[in-house]
Amino acid sequence: DTGVSQDPRHKITKRGQNVTFRCDPISEHNRLYWYRQTLGQGPEFLTYFQNEAQLEKSRLLSDRFSAERPKGSFSTLEIQRTEQGDSAMYLCASSLPRDSKPLTDTQYFGPGTRLTVL
Amino acid sequence: QKEVEQNSGPLSVPEGAIASLNCTYSDRGSQSFFWYRQYSGKSPELIMFIYSNGDKEDGRFTAQLNKASQYVSLLIRDSQPSDSATYLCAVLAGGYQKVTFGTGTKLQVIP
Repeated sequence: DTGVSQDPRHKITKRGQNVTFRCDPISEHNRLYWYRQTLGQGPEFLTYFQNEAQLEKSRLLSDRFSAERPKGSFSTLEIQRTEQGDSAMYLCASSLPRDSKPLTDTQYFGPGTRLTVL
Repeated sequence: QKEVEQNSGPLSVPEGAIASLNCTYSDRGSQSFFWYRQYSGKSPELIMFIYSNGDKEDGRFTAQLNKASQYVSLLIRDSQPSDSATYLCAVLAGGYQKVTFGTGTKLQVIP
């Protein structure tokens, strides 16, 4: 399977614990995005990387959240001291933007990691 | 004003009818527009993208873009019950900026 993969698919944790999620993008894609999605809402942008550089973080991303993409391939998203409000689906997407006119950036999503904080 | 707005629905159409899904956006510099389909409990999957004014057709799907009105729509012809899902509109603004998603419109196709 050459699509975007995420691990784990489901995570149940107790409030206050730390969790880490992994995303493996499509191999030639240089951009990697993290989103959070709650019921009835569209994907909410968290952060994105171009190669290993983290180019933008959402203002909504508290200091309990950190993401890395150390070698420009897979990425990890860590949530420290989880809270019940962190319960959501965490989606990863990758893309290979075309430096064309107009600009295009077609993202392909992984299956997501569903986090439940008890 | 939200950057990308969609009516949350649900939009109910009978099987075989045309479903029309609408999206407006606020950034006039937006260059590319995407429609994703998301089944309940699943991740979004790309249906099509458009960047030129006018219509773009792909099978039963037609995307329509009107940059002057800052409006993009998706038409689904011959709607099937399997088309029942949430449809997300996404917009890429000018420059290397992030894609912004709307909250989605839930479509129900009634057999």
